[in-house]
Amino acid sequence: AQSVAQPEDQVNVAEGNPLTVKCTYSVSGNPYLFWYVQYPNRGLQFLLKYITGDNLVKGSYGFEAEFNKSQTSFHLKKPSALVSDSALYFCAVGYGGSQGNLIFGKGTKLSVKP
Amino acid sequence: SQTIHQWPATLVQPVGSPLSLECTVEGTSNPNLYWYRQAAGRGLQLLFYSVGIGQISSEVPQNLSASRPQDRQFILSSKKLLLSDSGFYLCAWEKRSGGYTFGSGTRLTVV
Repeated sequence: AQSVAQPEDQVNVAEGNPLTVKCTYSVSGNPYLFWYVQYPNRGLQFLLKYITGDNLVKGSYGFEAEFNKSQTSFHLKKPSALVSDSALYFCAVGYGGSQGNLIFGKGTKLSVKP
Repeated sequence: SQTIHQWPATLVQPVGSPLSLECTVEGTSNPNLYWYRQAAGRGLQLLFYSVGIGQISSEVPQNLSASRPQDRQFILSSKKLLLSDSGFYLCAWEKRSGGYTFGSGTRLTVV
């Protein structure tokens, strides 16, 4: 069965430090992987996606993610965190040979302190 | 430009009352549309998706239903709300380039 795991409920980093939000997945076939960010009481905003090609994907707001097939991971990273990056981050995987149906992880709350 | 509208932003409804949440998209035709729910402390759960007018697929059997009366309109409904229906509901439109654009969400509290 397809699944997505975000093992950390919360990640705390100091402003200026690098951040990583972890995501692992299980899917049959080639995965379509996404990261979304959600600010309080707002809809999700698309950050980046991996469909095929280069394993390192660059997205919005300076975020990037690396697709690692052997470890079935798609960790979200940023070299230097900002306080404004504090939000809820969701990893998602598309399944069924289509990007249409997504399974979301439970989300990771990122807190960046000044 | 392509946009997605969802309303209302917040809603408080008594148990047993009906529900109707509306989602519309602009600037695109024949979009794939989705309803997700985010329960407190949990990830997003796909409820329904639609690939065209009158075409609805349900991912999780529950107290809710969906309809697509027009190409760019997707409605989430319930005849009688339960306490467990409380949550944050998101409409989403699948972009042809991949990924989704989400509406701003509706915070539903059933009391």
